Amino acid sequence: DTAVSQTPKYLVTQMGNDKSIKCEQNLGHDTMYWYKQDSKKFLKIMFSYNNKELIINETVPNRFSPKSPDKAHLNLHINSLELGDSAVYFCASSFTPLSNQPQHFGDGTRLSIL
Amino acid sequence: QQQVKQSPQSLIVQKGGISIINCAYENTAFDYFPWYQQFPGKGPALLIAIRPDVSEKKEGRFTISFNKSAKQFSLHIMDSQPGDSATYFCAASASGSRLTFGEGTQLTVNP
Repeated sequence: DTAVSQTPKYLVTQMGNDKSIKCEQNLGHDTMYWYKQDSKKFLKIMFSYNNKELIINETVPNRFSPKSPDKAHLNLHINSLELGDSAVYFCASSFTPLSNQPQHFGDGTRLSIL
Repeated sequence: QQQVKQSPQSLIVQKGGISIINCAYENTAFDYFPWYQQFPGKGPALLIAIRPDVSEKKEGRFTISFNKSAKQFSLHIMDSQPGDSATYFCAASASGSRLTFGEGTQLTVNP
């Protein structure tokens, strides 16, 4: 039983396209996150939602739009993909927004822009 | 601004040896210091965490040492095993704020 699942696992697409990544957690957590891990493995938070409300919105281009239909799901839509968007995107969840709560990560979506 | 600096970038240890990874932070408001372990193709997973009211925390072969005055903390892996080969991330946060991760250390334990 996967706790935090992301789809797709791999995404290869052309520059300029629009794509979505989906995330679901079955842990009963209230808070979900999107992280970006670059080619040097640096992890940086992009967004966080608590009970469907946006609570963290880092300096991310407007082309990235998260959406949380319910507290178990957090999707990420990316418009007009650019070469620099190539990275691994991780979804994570935690019981509360408090940063001292363990965050449970999915296995990532590897996005490659051609 | 990189608020948590991690070293070394990569580390090779022989089986049975001690692996040591160091992190330094700038923000004195940080009050939670977790370490995450990431295997290839997987997401990071919480390994062990410490708060600044203690100087050391041990869980099995993994120990965090914390030096509040120096604003440094480190992860020690005793009796390192090939299965410990992974990327390790330190992180830090202040109450209610987001986690800030270090740059990661790729650990290889040779058999």
